[in-house]
Amino acid sequence: SYELTQALSVSVALGQTARITCGGNKIGSKSVHWYQQKPGQAPVLVIYRDSNRPSGIPERFSGSNSGDTATLTITRAQVGDEADYYCQVWDSNTVFGGGAKLTVL
Amino acid sequence: QLQLQESGPGLVKPSETLSLTCTVSGGSISSSSYYWGWIRQPPGKGLEWIGSIYYSGRTYYNPSLKSRVTISVDTSKNQFSLKLSSVTAADTAVFYCARHMLYQLLPNWFDPWGQGTLVTVSS
Repeated sequence: SYELTQALSVSVALGQTARITCGGNKIGSKSVHWYQQKPGQAPVLVIYRDSNRPSGIPERFSGSNSGDTATLTITRAQVGDEADYYCQVWDSNTVFGGGAKLTVL
Repeated sequence: QLQLQESGPGLVKPSETLSLTCTVSGGSISSSSYYWGWIRQPPGKGLEWIGSIYYSGRTYYNPSLKSRVTISVDTSKNQFSLKLSSVTAADTAVFYCARHMLYQLLPNWFDPWGQGTLVTVSS
């Protein structure tokens, strides 16, 4: 079965750029979606189909996908961006990455 | 604005069947553009997809859970439901329902999600 690999934790200085990666075999050939989950809340879609932002998601959130790595990029990181971030693809069935905890220092 | 709400018992005994319902409001479950999915999250752990259903009744299930899972849809009530049989403590989790968006004829991303409901498996 297909697997997605995410680093357990990512740290970024306030106002700097955070990059959260999602690794998978030839993931560049798949559509990758990203979710933000804050403590005690349901996940929220922040990027779909690699690089598309749903309405209401700040332009600071962007995505890319190539080769074996997809990346969620958050520019001008804020304390309010602290959350768990999950990547997800469809590969005969739905697969989630293990999630990465973003800490803003 | 589409909203989803999970409902069902918060406590289930080991070996019994967990049953949850998701009620969709603000839109029709019979739309041809979406599937409807169930996802769970054990306390302190990541997300696990359980399965998804189309309004026609077509389903996709997580292979690791397929033998224990049944997802059904009731278009007259704008609801879909989850049954997970032979539960153990390892099935304790927050269960979410979500709209599963179709892309290139396949279910892809989830948006929006319900608020989730905690189900504890314990005697």
